[in-house]
Amino acid sequence: QKEVEQDPGPLSVPEGAIVSLNCTYSNSAFQYFMWYRQYSRKGPELLMYTYSSGNKEDGRFTAQVDKSSKYISLFIRDSQPSDSATYLCAMSPLQGGKLIFGQGTELSVKP
Amino acid sequence: DADVTQTPRNRITKTGKRIMLECSQTKGHDRMYWYRQDPGLGLRLIYYSFDVKDINKGEISDGYSVSRQAQAKFSLSLESAIPNQTALYFCATSDHGTGVNEQFFGPGTRLTVL
Repeated sequence: QKEVEQDPGPLSVPEGAIVSLNCTYSNSAFQYFMWYRQYSRKGPELLMYTYSSGNKEDGRFTAQVDKSSKYISLFIRDSQPSDSATYLCAMSPLQGGKLIFGQGTELSVKP
Repeated sequence: DADVTQTPRNRITKTGKRIMLECSQTKGHDRMYWYRQDPGLGLRLIYYSFDVKDINKGEISDGYSVSRQAQAKFSLSLESAIPNQTALYFCATSDHGTGVNEQFFGPGTRLTVL
């Protein structure tokens, strides 16, 4: 079993939809949680990060961590075609430590 | 100008050949990483280096070696390439001082081993 599991999709939604992307993990030591976005033919870029449990909001994006369930989510409100990309969750037990990535979910937002 | 560059961007080689992928960065970061990305498997860490004198194996180091020639340069070698090493390879950097360990990725090298 992988330490971090993420449904690879692909996920296709109409423009304006609310998107929910999720990851589960098995290592209870993970404290730092990140979401990276990767456009086609590009390297991943950090989108959001959270420490421990709770929510964090940035514009149309909300990251949520539930450590009791070992489950993290990324919500995208009012999704746009420009949000079409692969979204990878990543996590680490230590500040500044190695990252463990999920498989990535491919998202397509149709106009 | 790109902060993290990788050369070559695309490479086709034959089984048994030795090849080197190179990574350079102008971000002044001390930490550098090599990953491979395969469909359905996400990013898997091959090797990482926290400074010039520090080299560590990652999740899937067999068949690979690395060299940290300088703080800004980190190369990945495949001693004898095999077809299952066909993948997209990414170099990344991070700064230990930030705490978050945000990693900055290069554009990737698409490697095909025939």
